[in-house]
Amino acid sequence: GAVVSQHPSWVICKSGTSVKIECRSLDFQATTMFWYRQFPKQSLMLMATSNEGSKATYEQGVEKDKFLINHASLTLSTLTVTSAHPEDSSFYICSARSSVLAGEGEQYFGPGTRLTVT
Amino acid sequence: GDSVTQMEGPVTLSEEAFLTINCTYTATGYPSLFWYVQYPGEGLQLLLKATKADDKGSNKGFEATYRKETTSFHLEKGSVQVSDSAVYFCALKGFAGRRALTFGSGTRLQVQP
Repeated sequence: GAVVSQHPSWVICKSGTSVKIECRSLDFQATTMFWYRQFPKQSLMLMATSNEGSKATYEQGVEKDKFLINHASLTLSTLTVTSAHPEDSSFYICSARSSVLAGEGEQYFGPGTRLTVT
Repeated sequence: GDSVTQMEGPVTLSEEAFLTINCTYTATGYPSLFWYVQYPGEGLQLLLKATKADDKGSNKGFEATYRKETTSFHLEKGSVQVSDSAVYFCALKGFAGRRALTFGSGTRLQVQP
């Protein structure tokens, strides 16, 4: 089946530094990738949608200058958390959609990245 | 806006017990409805889906029926196994071409032998 990987699976960084999270579709081309954020015991909240080769579309309330998203190829999207602060600590999940593979609404999810900012 | 409400967990059952995880939604138009499952250490996987009213999605013994009159999509399984222990997310894809999903908060299921 379609596999999406994320790297790293967990990361600890100091306040004020930047962290990059990679999301890769391993065996299919992802025309669209989504980035979600999940707080403990809460639902996944969509942060942004990115289409390969174009700028990401951010959800209301998400700072685009803080959460930089790049979708430079059909198999890779990156999320960079710039000048991280403790309130950015969370579980970040990406998903990928292929116009060829996906049925109605189907997305393939990565295992998530846990970010802890100290 | 669109929203999904699902029962809080954890739900703890003995093996072979009957499972129901409630899910209700609010959306304009006619959304598509999904159940995703997340096993420990893995990404969310699509479990089943229904795209129109009265459709029944089913997979691996799990079922859910799209009930428009009650705006519900409850997940059921007649006899759970230890291997079903996971977190279950109800989700919808709204109308008007929005490709992203709106998720419920997830329900952790623990099945004891």
